[in-house]
Amino acid sequence: KNQVEQSPQSLIILEGKNCTLQCNYTVSPFSNLRWYKQDTGRGPVSLTIMTFSENTKSNGRYTATLDADTKQSSLHITASQLSDSASYICVVSAGGADGLTFGKGTHLIIQP
Amino acid sequence: DVKVTQSSRYLVKRTGEKVFLECVQDMDHENMFWYRQDPGLGLRLIYFSYDVKMKEKGDIPEGYSVSREKKERFSLILESASTNQTSMYLCASSPTGLPRFNYGYTFGSGTRLTVV
Repeated sequence: KNQVEQSPQSLIILEGKNCTLQCNYTVSPFSNLRWYKQDTGRGPVSLTIMTFSENTKSNGRYTATLDADTKQSSLHITASQLSDSASYICVVSAGGADGLTFGKGTHLIIQP
Repeated sequence: DVKVTQSSRYLVKRTGEKVFLECVQDMDHENMFWYRQDPGLGLRLIYFSYDVKMKEKGDIPEGYSVSREKKERFSLILESASTNQTSMYLCASSPTGLPRFNYGYTFGSGTRLTVV
């Protein structure tokens, strides 16, 4: 069964600090991996999407990495801001008609 | 800016009521999806549609139906709402292509439904 596991479940850091969120997956075959940011009470918004051949992709202060051999991805947030407080969801696609496999998300809280 | 619009942010309905959740996209996407999101469970696919009048069951279709009469609109219907359908409902759309579900996947802002 395709699965996506995210860690930690929740994280609290001080404003200005860096943090890294983890995503391990067992989805096969692999097509692409996405990271979404979801503010409380809102829909997810795409941060990055990476295919098999991509190791790193950045979007401002967000940098995603992908190791397709170990089936791991990370999302690194640099110089965190209060507006980074949100849930971050890792989503992996097998490329088939059954769509995407979602992780349960990491709930990030940035404290002033 | 491309958009997926869900008609209501918050809804409160009574047990047994018939509930319609509407979703409209302005990107001319072929594929549309309905998910529900619950704490600790993540997003779960209810139904999806890859063309007008076409629909496919997702992982948890029981208690729900859908309608896609026009390309831009995908409706989720709760025939007889129950308290266990209290949840956040998210609509999404994506363009066609190979693989069809993988590109430009855009979510709406969500509808928080409470069934009392």
